[in-house]
Amino acid sequence: DADVTQTPRNRITKTGKRIMLECSQTKGHDRMYWYRQDPGLGLQLIYYSFDVKDINKGEISDGYSVSRQAQAKFSLSLESAIPNQTALYFCATSESDGRLPPGELFFGEGSRLTVL
Amino acid sequence: GIQVEQSPPDLILQEGANSTLRCNFSDSVNNLQWFHQNPWGQLINLFYIPSGTKQNGRLSATTVATERYSLLYISSSQTTDSGVYFCAVRTGGGNKLTFGTGTQLKVEL
Repeated sequence: DADVTQTPRNRITKTGKRIMLECSQTKGHDRMYWYRQDPGLGLQLIYYSFDVKDINKGEISDGYSVSRQAQAKFSLSLESAIPNQTALYFCATSESDGRLPPGELFFGEGSRLTVL
Repeated sequence: GIQVEQSPPDLILQEGANSTLRCNFSDSVNNLQWFHQNPWGQLINLFYIPSGTKQNGRLSATTVATERYSLLYISSSQTTDSGVYFCAVRTGGGNKLTFGTGTQLKVEL
């Protein structure tokens, strides 16, 4: 089983619908992230969380919200999906041992979202 | 923000050939990772290498932080090596991993 699990892996939806992507991890890491990848490009950071009480916006947070339900769970929501949110979404984790910067990132398998 | 440039953008190899992929970055970094994105979109960690040299089977990587570049070596390439290779870096105390635009590799029989 994967250490970082994303659901759903694929989703097709319509403009205006609310969508939630879920991420759970068994690595015991404190830090969790949501990234977005558009075709032919690298990844951009949407939101990140250092612990259940700490949520921070990334570089492209508009149109998205997140919830850190537990140390192991971090969900991403699109309140009203639009076609330019069609992308591949990745959840990631990294450990925190009190030092900065955080270390190696581990990614989930990705969630492919299509908004029609 | 930091700029991350990868070269070449595209590469086609015959199976068994060797290759070197390069990642240049515009500022000091304290975290550098190499990833392989396979044709199914999965991101696979290859190396966590903010400095020095590491090897893992047919792959090795070297980061020269003082000169702001990293190299990924692929030896005896196989068709399963096809995909996109990304370099990603982090600067200072920030939490954002900045990705390069990748090298698209195709290994042919």
